[in-house]
Amino acid sequence: KQEVTQIPAALSVPEGENLVLNCSFTDSAIYNLQWFRQDPGKGLTSLLLIQSSQREQTSGRLNASLDKSSGRSTLYIAASQPGDSATYLCAVDTDKLIFGTGTRLQVFP
Amino acid sequence: DAMVIQNPRYQVTQFGKPVTLSCSQTLNHNVMYWYQQKSSQAPKLLFHYYDKDFNNEADTPDNFQSRRPNTSFCFLDIRSPGLGDAAMYLCATSRVLRDSSSYEQYFGPGTRLTVT
Repeated sequence: KQEVTQIPAALSVPEGENLVLNCSFTDSAIYNLQWFRQDPGKGLTSLLLIQSSQREQTSGRLNASLDKSSGRSTLYIAASQPGDSATYLCAVDTDKLIFGTGTRLQVFP
Repeated sequence: DAMVIQNPRYQVTQFGKPVTLSCSQTLNHNVMYWYQQKSSQAPKLLFHYYDKDFNNEADTPDNFQSRRPNTSFCFLDIRSPGLGDAAMYLCATSRVLRDSSSYEQYFGPGTRLTVT
């Protein structure tokens, strides 16, 4: 059974810091991995999708990597801003999306 | 802008009173999903439609039903809501090609259901 874990569960950093969010999964047989952002009481916004054949994807200040063999993905956020404060969820696609419970990020001025 | 729309954004219903949540999409995607997300938990897939084919998750309670009258709309019906059904309900869509096994899901803003 696929299980997805995200560490840390919560993170508080000052503005401007570079930070890394971690996602691990137990079964490497995945089609892709998606990172989402969720603001309090809101839906999910897709940030990045990494196909199983890829090793990383970049969008602006975000960079996501994927290492299928070790069952790990990281989301790197450069020069964090208060507007980045949200919960970040990773999800692996194994013909359905299996989500982690997220990392709650707070960036303070 | 192409998007996934959910109505209402907030719904209050009474214990045992049937309720219907609505999702529509302008993306012309062939797959639509319903997820349940309880407070501080990960979203959990309830069921999805692949075109007109309904696919129920094994652990989705019978209390939850769905209808997809056309490509654009999908409804979640909760026949007899209990207090434990209070949650955020998320609708998502994707365009799945038969020769591809990898696709991106696009989510709506969610409907927050309160059961009193």
